[in-house]
Amino acid sequence: RKEVEQDPGPFNVPEGATVAFNCTYSNSASQSFFWYRQDCRKEPKLLMSVYSSGNEDGRFTAQLNRASQYISLLIRDSKLSDSATYLCVGSYSSYKLIFGSGTRLLVRP
Amino acid sequence: DARVTQTPRHKVTEMGQEVTMRCQPILGHNTVFWYRQTMMQGLELLAYFRNRAPLDDSGMPKDRFSAEMPDATLATLKIQPSEPRDSAVYFCASGLDSEQFFGPGTRLTVL
Repeated sequence: RKEVEQDPGPFNVPEGATVAFNCTYSNSASQSFFWYRQDCRKEPKLLMSVYSSGNEDGRFTAQLNRASQYISLLIRDSKLSDSATYLCVGSYSSYKLIFGSGTRLLVRP
Repeated sequence: DARVTQTPRHKVTEMGQEVTMRCQPILGHNTVFWYRQTMMQGLELLAYFRNRAPLDDSGMPKDRFSAEMPDATLATLKIQPSEPRDSAVYFCASGLDSEQFFGPGTRLTVL
């Protein structure tokens, strides 16, 4: 079993839709969590950190549930430019990031 | 706009050849990482440096891979000899604290 697991998708949604991704992690010692975004044939880029209290950045909301060991990302009012692969990431130390395999999102006109 | 740079961006080589990939981290960052990404395995950490010292290379095949930081502006990843299963995208990342900034990657194909 992978330490960080995600549904690979693809999630195919129309513009303007709300879409949610979940991610589960197996190591309860995980300290920090992040969502990275990776466009096709590009490098991963940090989208947002995930806090237990939840955090919001514009149309994006991230939540962490430590009791159930899952992380979520909610995207409201989807744009065509949101089409990408979203990587769920856990950190077990100050440096070591464990990446999920990614969830692919396709936003159609 | 500070960025991590990597060279070459693409490399095609034959099995058995030596491959050297280079990375210039963002000035002032004290951590450097090498990752490998494949369709099957996703992103895997190969090596980690802090203040130029190698602290973790447990993810790297020791018999053929080596990673070094000869100075603060250059990190290298070498594969000798290369094998077809090494075909992947190799990313370098640098950072401060927990955020890591990735370079554009080197797409390696070993025939």
